[in-house]
Amino acid sequence: GAVVSQHPSWVICKSGTSVKIECRSLDFQATTMFWYRQFPKQSLMLMATSNEGSKATYEQGVEKDKFLINHASLTLSTLTVTSAHPEDSSFYICSASQTGSEAFFGQGTRLTVV
Amino acid sequence: GENVEQHPSTLSVQEGDSAVIKCTYSDSASNYFPWYKQELGKGPQLIIDIRSNVGEKKDQRIAVTLNKTAKHFSLHITETQPEDSAVYFCAASYSGGGADGLTFGKGTHLIIQP
Repeated sequence: GAVVSQHPSWVICKSGTSVKIECRSLDFQATTMFWYRQFPKQSLMLMATSNEGSKATYEQGVEKDKFLINHASLTLSTLTVTSAHPEDSSFYICSASQTGSEAFFGQGTRLTVV
Repeated sequence: GENVEQHPSTLSVQEGDSAVIKCTYSDSASNYFPWYKQELGKGPQLIIDIRSNVGEKKDQRIAVTLNKTAKHFSLHITETQPEDSAVYFCAASYSGGGADGLTFGKGTHLIIQP
């Protein structure tokens, strides 16, 4: 299957700072990328959908000014958590797909805000 | 929106026995139903999927069945092995997986007893 890579795999940051997470499709061009959040022992919740070159579509309850998503190319999307707080600590996972095909997931990024 | 229910939340089976995980969905417009395996600290890995024009699909020890009328689908794992131990998620999508995000079930922690 196709490979989606996330970086970093884990990050610890201080409360009030911003953190950027990268999601890359390594061997295919992703027309759409998705960002999910997963709290411990819970399911994945879709945060936003982004298409290359356009603004992301956020799910209800997700603050677009706090979770900035950029999808500047067909192989890269970034999620920036701005002014992070301890409650933002979570496992963030991206997935990428080509039009009409299945979505492939990255390995996730563990964010801990202290 | 779509709502996916998954049962059981925990399933313990003896090595070599079969395991069955069941999911129901609410929106008849959903047409793509993947199953993911997630190991601790990693992203979900697609293990099998089924589309609404098919009732059953099999890949070696893994099979998925879909009942569109009843809006439920199931994962069947035969001859279970210790490496099958993980959390399994079912999901549903309107667009075949590529354009819209996935709605996940809450997950099943599968434990294979040696």
